[in-house]
Amino acid sequence: AQTVTQSQPEMSVQEAETVTLSCTYDTSESDYYLFWYKQPPSRQMILVIRQEAYKQQNATENRFSVNFQKAAKSFSLKISDSQLGDAAMYFCAYITGLGTYKYIFGTGTRLKVLA
Amino acid sequence: DGGITQSPKYLFRKEGQNVTLSCEQNLNHDAMYWYRQDPGQGLRLIYYSQIVNDFQKGDIAEGYSVSREKKESFPLTVTSAQKNPTAFYLCASTPKAGLVSEQYFGPGTRLTVT
Repeated sequence: AQTVTQSQPEMSVQEAETVTLSCTYDTSESDYYLFWYKQPPSRQMILVIRQEAYKQQNATENRFSVNFQKAAKSFSLKISDSQLGDAAMYFCAYITGLGTYKYIFGTGTRLKVLA
Repeated sequence: DGGITQSPKYLFRKEGQNVTLSCEQNLNHDAMYWYRQDPGQGLRLIYYSQIVNDFQKGDIAEGYSVSREKKESFPLTVTSAQKNPTAFYLCASTPKAGLVSEQYFGPGTRLTVT
């Protein structure tokens, strides 16, 4: 069965610094998609970034980028120039590309941004 | 603006009572999902529906029931059989069943049962 592991329950970063959140997953599929979601204190889940497994290029969205290592089954999120508004829970998620319904979420990493 | 609404934001019930959580979307999405979120456990899938009048159990369906009579609505009933119903509940949708997309989430409902 597919699993997603976020081994860092909590991380802290100084404002304007860079932080990397880890995510590993286990799958035997070759076609799949990975996501990072942000859940701020309002608890509204917001998509941060997505990565298709067939794409070798790492996805980037402004200050957010991923380091996708397919062979290692690793999908880390890098946040550059951290801002106070980045403080939130971050969830890594996986879904196979075989047309299934099931998104698998990690347990989340709480990011604190220190002023 | 299109989106997903969940009401109410906070819900309180006495033990032994059934309670229904509302989820409405005006995104014209086919698929809808219900998740339960507990501290340290991420999001766990309760039920999902790919089309109207059809739904399937997720990983933790025991003690819950759903209906999908309209495309835009997917209410979740937490029954008295659910042993530990106090949690945060999230509703989500995706445009097309079977087509990979990011999920769109509602603001959630915090249910407290005493």
